[in-house]
Amino acid sequence: QKEVEQDPGPLSVPEGAIVSLNCTYSNSAFQYFMWYRQYSRKGPELLMYTYSSGNKEDGRFTAQVDKSSKYISLFIRDSQPSDSATYLCAMSEGTNAGKSTFGDGTTLTVKP
Amino acid sequence: DVKVTQSSRYLVKRTGEKVFLECVQDMDHENMFWYRQDPGLGLRLIYFSYDVKMKEKGDIPEGYSVSREKKERFSLILESASTNQTSMYLCASSSGRIEAFFGQGTRLTVV
Repeated sequence: QKEVEQDPGPLSVPEGAIVSLNCTYSNSAFQYFMWYRQYSRKGPELLMYTYSSGNKEDGRFTAQVDKSSKYISLFIRDSQPSDSATYLCAMSEGTNAGKSTFGDGTTLTVKP
Repeated sequence: DVKVTQSSRYLVKRTGEKVFLECVQDMDHENMFWYRQDPGLGLRLIYFSYDVKMKEKGDIPEGYSVSREKKERFSLILESASTNQTSMYLCASSSGRIEAFFGQGTRLTVV
């Protein structure tokens, strides 16, 4: 079983929809929870991160971590066509994010 | 603007060839990483380096080696390319903090 499981998708939604992207994990030592966005033919870029449990909001994006359930989510409000990308969750025990464990990614398409 | 540059976007190599993938970062980061990205398998860490001439194996180092002679440059070497090494290769760097900066990727096809 993988250490990090991500909802596989693909996901297709109309513009303006609320999107929920989800990951589960098995390693209770994970402390940092990241979401990367990867546009087609590009490398991943960090979207936002959360330390331990709780919520974090950044504009239309909200990251949520529930360590008791080992479950993390990324919500996108008022989704836009420019949000169309692959979203990767990543987790690490320490701050050296290059050693993170990544999910497989969920490909999102937002249709105008 | 931070930058991680991979030398090639697309490469086609023959089975058995020795292949070099080059990565350069301009952020003075100590840490550099090589991943491969495959459908259904996500990003998997091949090797990483915490300093010049230092290297450590990641999760899937078999068939690969690395070289870091200068702080800004990290090379991935496929000693004898095989078809199962056809993949997207991503280089990343970090300062030891939470964000990893990725290059644009090299899509390698081994025929």
